[in-house]
Amino acid sequence: GQQVMQIPQYQHVQEGEDFTTYCNSSTTLSNIQWYKQRPGGHPVFLIQLVKSGEVKKQKRLTFQFGEAKKNSSLHITATQTTDVGTYFCAGEGSGGSYIPTFGRGTSLIVHP
Amino acid sequence: DSGVTQTPKHLITATGQRVTLRCSPRSGDLSVYWYQQSLDQGLQFLIQYYNGEERAKGNILERFSAQQFPDLHSELNLSSLELGDSALYFCASTTGMNYGYTFGSGTRLTVV
Repeated sequence: GQQVMQIPQYQHVQEGEDFTTYCNSSTTLSNIQWYKQRPGGHPVFLIQLVKSGEVKKQKRLTFQFGEAKKNSSLHITATQTTDVGTYFCAGEGSGGSYIPTFGRGTSLIVHP
Repeated sequence: DSGVTQTPKHLITATGQRVTLRCSPRSGDLSVYWYQQSLDQGLQFLIQYYNGEERAKGNILERFSAQQFPDLHSELNLSSLELGDSALYFCASTTGMNYGYTFGSGTRLTVV
């Protein structure tokens, strides 16, 4: 079945440093979604990427979808303590199931 | 408030028991998805309902069952509970393919 791998599992940064998490799928995806889960909270939808090579920005967050639609990344510039949480990617396969497979997530810890 | 309502927030029960988790999707959403989140398995898709009918099944154990009622709320029934069933159970709904999933605040189940 479809597998979505996400690295790293944890990332410690000093406030102001950049952060990147990577997501890789074993199969071609129709789209990829990104979610953020604050400690003790629930996953919150951030964005969806659909097109090959697509790049989207939300303030300090930059999301990329690979040309082969099998990998994606989320980059945060100049992290802030409010960025703390676990970032998940979720890929929907191209077989039309419309059920996203979630990566294990990357937990971001920002030290002030 | 995400618009997806889950009750109860916390549940503590003994092994061998049966519990029911409840979810009301966001107004206007016809689909309900159930996910299990544990530390070692991440977010695992359990089952999806659409307008009262089962649409997709994931890694759902035979001891678990679900249904969606005419008013679109859904219930997840977990029986013969084991210690390993302790986890966060999330319900999510979606307006459509391009809008991501809206998660409820989850039910934390502890089996003792």
